[in-house]
Amino acid sequence: AQSVTQPDIHITVSEGASLELRCNYSYGATPYLFWYVQSPGQGLQLLLKYFSGDTLVQGIKGFEAEFKRSQSSFNLRKPSVHWSDAAEYFCAVGATSGTYKYIFGTGTRLKVLA
Amino acid sequence: SAVISQKPSRDICQRGTSLTIQCQVDSQVTMMFWYRQQPGQSLTLIATANQGSEATYESGFVIDKFPISRPNLTFSTLTVSNMSPEDSSIYLCSVGVRQETQYFGPGTRLLVL
Repeated sequence: AQSVTQPDIHITVSEGASLELRCNYSYGATPYLFWYVQSPGQGLQLLLKYFSGDTLVQGIKGFEAEFKRSQSSFNLRKPSVHWSDAAEYFCAVGATSGTYKYIFGTGTRLKVLA
Repeated sequence: SAVISQKPSRDICQRGTSLTIQCQVDSQVTMMFWYRQQPGQSLTLIATANQGSEATYESGFVIDKFPISRPNLTFSTLTVSNMSPEDSSIYLCSVGVRQETQYFGPGTRLLVL
């Protein structure tokens, strides 16, 4: 069955520290992969996406993610976290069948210490 | 991308009543979706809003409880009917744009007393 796992429910980092949020997926083929961020009281904002090609993708707000087929992973990284990055982060897998349907992970809540 | 607005942004309702949530997009889009995000949870797809035809509901969601309209390519409504406290959630609409990418509205925060 198709699934998305975000193993870390909560992560706390100090401002200026590096960040890696994990995402593992189970899908029959290479899926479309997405990371979204949800700030408190807000909707979801697209950070970055992967469809094909270069496995390291750059997104907005200084985020990047790397697709690793052998590990079925699409981890999100940022070299230096800012206090404004505190939010909930969702990994999503999109079907490649033209339906636009997503499977969302359960989310990782990021807390940033000053 | 697309700019999506939702009304109302939040509401507090009494049990047994209904609330209609509006979703407006600044451009014509083929795919529109409605999601529910229960407190502290991830997003669950309610249905795909189809223009000119009945919405396609996911397992566990029915038209009587969540009727959806899609009169044109820029607008949709979701009604939460006969509400109970268990319906307290964030309801989000999204649109599908190029390359299987969804963009989300700001959400409607609903509290049912």
